[in-house]
Amino acid sequence: KAGVTQTPRYLIKTRGQQVTLSCSPISGHRSVSWYQQTPGQGLQFLFEYFSETQRNKGNFPGRFSGRQFSNSRSEMNVSTLELGDSALYLCASSKDRGRVGTGELFFGEGSRLTVL
Amino acid sequence: GENVEQHPSTLSVQEGDSAVIKCTYSDSASNYFPWYKQELGKRPQLIIDIRSNVGEKKDQRIAVTLNKTAKHFSLHITETQPEDSAVYFCAASGFQKLVFGTGTRLLVSP
Repeated sequence: KAGVTQTPRYLIKTRGQQVTLSCSPISGHRSVSWYQQTPGQGLQFLFEYFSETQRNKGNFPGRFSGRQFSNSRSEMNVSTLELGDSALYLCASSKDRGRVGTGELFFGEGSRLTVL
Repeated sequence: GENVEQHPSTLSVQEGDSAVIKCTYSDSASNYFPWYKQELGKRPQLIIDIRSNVGEKKDQRIAVTLNKTAKHFSLHITETQPEDSAVYFCAASGFQKLVFGTGTRLLVSP
């Protein structure tokens, strides 16, 4: 059974550009969550999608957006990149037992974004 | 919204010692408390979780305790081994999003 796949694994952008990251969840998992990981800040929740609908959103500016497709694959987009957006972006999928946050999260290896 | 605080940020122990990591949460509606382990350069993985109707759960050398009244929960690792060296994250959720603590870097020295 394939795990959660994220692409690209590494990318370098300059300030002001935009970036799109992709996540393919484990087959059968309908919930996809996105987290930003930076040293000292842990895992900060960006948003969660379930059946193509954003079910929850974290405290990030509107430059961060996402979507989910009918096959549960998800993308997140960051526009007008800032230096502080440099981080590891992790995607996680879960079976979702009907209640948010109570199923095991299976993480991808992440997309490491560097903004210069 | 939920806020999770985790202590300590770093923890160094000798092989064979016990390690304890503590977390507090703010939302009394939270009812699910997982712990994730992230080894260097790898993805976080669930190691144990506990629900609010249970006070303690054990799995071999690891255990988690929950005090709902005080709104805190702890991870206990006994007989630590070098392969336990990693960053450990606690998390809490109720009906909303899963919120993680800032992580504890555990270093087990041989």
